[in-house]
Amino acid sequence: QKEVEQDPGPLSVPEGAIVSLNCTYSNSAFQYFMWYRQYSRKGPELLMYTYSSGNKEDGRFTAQVDKSSKYISLFIRDSQPSDSATYLCAMSWGGTSYGKLTFGQGTILTVHP
Amino acid sequence: DVKVTQSSRYLVKRTGEKVFLECVQDMDHENMFWYRQDPGLGLRLIYFSYDVKMKEKGDIPEGYSVSREKKERFSLILESASTNQTSMYLCASSPRGAGELFFGEGSRLTVL
Repeated sequence: QKEVEQDPGPLSVPEGAIVSLNCTYSNSAFQYFMWYRQYSRKGPELLMYTYSSGNKEDGRFTAQVDKSSKYISLFIRDSQPSDSATYLCAMSWGGTSYGKLTFGQGTILTVHP
Repeated sequence: DVKVTQSSRYLVKRTGEKVFLECVQDMDHENMFWYRQDPGLGLRLIYFSYDVKMKEKGDIPEGYSVSREKKERFSLILESASTNQTSMYLCASSPRGAGELFFGEGSRLTVL
C-alpha cells in the first residue's frame, strides 16, 4: 500500500463547476499537507499549504484536512480553463524531514470552456 | 523570484551511457532534491541533500548517485543508463526548515 493515495482521474469538467480533488494517507506521522499544481511541460508549483485539521481558503481554492480520517481535499470553485493542470497532493513529517515530501500520484484536471 | 534551473530540458541517451543532470538554484537554499516523475506513480524521491557534500538516499536511489560540491548546485548521475530510467527528472530546492519546494522545469530523459 502506498503511503499516499490520490484519486487518479482524469477529471473533465465544464467551466464554472466545483472541483473536488482528494488524497488519503496511511502514515499518521504526516503533519504538513500541500497541494501543488503542475502545468504541462512545467515543474510543480505550490498552491496551498496547511498544517492543522480544518479548512484553509485562498480565493477560489479551499484546502481541507481531516487528520482523524487521514484524508485531505482541494476544492476549486468556479473552475476556469486556466485551472487545467495536474494536481499533486504532498505531505511531510516535519522536524529533520521537513523538506522531504511524499507525493500522491497526481490528478489530471481539464476544464472545458 | 526563486529560480531553479535544470541544464537540459530533453536528453536522449543510449543504454550504458553515463548521464549527468545538473541543477542550479539562485536563492541560497540549504536543501536540494532530485525526484523522478512517471505516469501513475507521481513524484518519487531519488536523493536529497541538506548541505554541501552531504547526501541522503530517498525512496528509489538504486542506479543513481549525486554530487553537491557547491551550495547552489546539485547533480544527478546515472552511471550506466538503462531503459527503465526513461523518465521526467525534477530538481527542487527549499530553505532549511521550510516545507515549500521550488521546482525546476524538469529534464525529460529517454534511454534507448
